Amino acid sequence: QSVLTQPPSASGTPGQRVTISCSGSTSSIGSNYVYWYQQLPGMAPKLLIYRNNQRPSGVPDRFSGSKSGTSASLAISGPRSEDEADYYCAAWDDRLSGVVFGGGTKLTVL
Amino acid sequence: EVQLAEFGGGLVQPGGSLRLSCAVSRFTFSSYSLNWVRQAPGKGLEWVSYISSNSRNIYYAGSVKGRFTISRDNAKNALYLQLNSLRDEDTAVYYCARGDYDDHLGCFDLWGRGTLVTVSS
Repeated sequence: QSVLTQPPSASGTPGQRVTISCSGSTSSIGSNYVYWYQQLPGMAPKLLIYRNNQRPSGVPDRFSGSKSGTSASLAISGPRSEDEADYYCAAWDDRLSGVVFGGGTKLTVL
Repeated sequence: EVQLAEFGGGLVQPGGSLRLSCAVSRFTFSSYSLNWVRQAPGKGLEWVSYISSNSRNIYYAGSVKGRFTISRDNAKNALYLQLNSLRDEDTAVYYCARGDYDDHLGCFDLWGRGTLVTVSS
């Protein structure tokens, strides 16, 4: 059981906005930055969002992140077929003195 | 191209040991913190360990504390993970992941391709 809670799956069409939630606690998301990682099938993970809502260079602007209290969200506006992947949230946890991940959300583009 | 590459995975019996290595290229190794993250077959990501750029700060996940040891050699641009007292549940792909330049804990801005460790009798 993961310390951060994500839905196991999400889906949407290219015309929709898909949101993936990530729920934590005061010692994790409530006190620290949230990061999002994208893992394409058979590949290593890749940093998608850092410091809650920042995109590394090269990440399309259809991806956005937000954080409020002890929860965070990743939004994908107009997902494409190449966005089909597993998405993970992560944060430092002050109580555990370690990095915690969500269980991952598999995105399907319909 | 900036990259990380893991080595040393393989098949080991329960209770056995293994040493993983991570080689880096095309960035100033000594300026960055490093981590090990693992992924069991068909499962999600699990952070394993962190080491700061100068090795002064080290953290471990509770599941590996006392069994795994992270270290680095800045002169050789190499990161290591010594895995002892291995259990079936340690079977996973082990990734080497670089911390960001400002050393924000949890931010892994560069990943290797991973090396598979299989613990089985």
